[in-house]
Amino acid sequence: IAGITQAPTSQILAAGRRMTLRCTQDMRHNAMYWYRQDLGLGLRLIHYSNTAGTTGKGEVPDGYSVSRANTDDFPLTLASAVPSQTSVYFCASSGGDATDTQYFGPGTRLTVL
Amino acid sequence: GQNIDQPTEMTATEGAIVQINCTYQTSGFNGLFWYQQHAGEAPTFLSYNVLDGLEEKGRFSSFLSRSKGYSYLLLKELQMKDSASYLCAVRDSNYQLIWGAGTKLIIKP
Repeated sequence: IAGITQAPTSQILAAGRRMTLRCTQDMRHNAMYWYRQDLGLGLRLIHYSNTAGTTGKGEVPDGYSVSRANTDDFPLTLASAVPSQTSVYFCASSGGDATDTQYFGPGTRLTVL
Repeated sequence: GQNIDQPTEMTATEGAIVQINCTYQTSGFNGLFWYQQHAGEAPTFLSYNVLDGLEEKGRFSSFLSRSKGYSYLLLKELQMKDSASYLCAVRDSNYQLIWGAGTKLIIKP
């Protein structure tokens, strides 16, 4: 692996189902983030983790949960999906340079019907 | 509230120069980032400004004025591959990035 990977690439999900989006990075970055991107809106932070073992809420955390058991992995779980969670989800990480620049995974396109 | 404003869409001609503006109102300031995002792809990092002035990186330059809450991204010698959305983001006092909605740049031959 080089950089950040996300899985699945895309998913169609029935409302009410549980879904986990996976994110893995191999850059040994301390911080990781989950964003959602909707047409006409800027990226919105869902949850973040500054280091393994800690997590925090972003701008739009409701309906989502995260865990950070180790440095590399940062899964995002939708406990009971709703149509308003239809979006493109990006995972990012930072901590490898002086500017703390965030680097993004390829994204997961999720449709909730 | 916190706010990042950038034009929704701009059109420019191949070979020309275009300037994309970004104004911001945030709680605190710890740097401003520009990202490029091609349709259907992830944002990729272009530039970072934390001090006033111009940062040049090849065909791309980024300018910051903290007193005016203003930045611009300057793209020279435009190429068709520069057709993309350009995202402005400011790191606030909580060290989180606040994102603009992005400027879609259309390059015409």
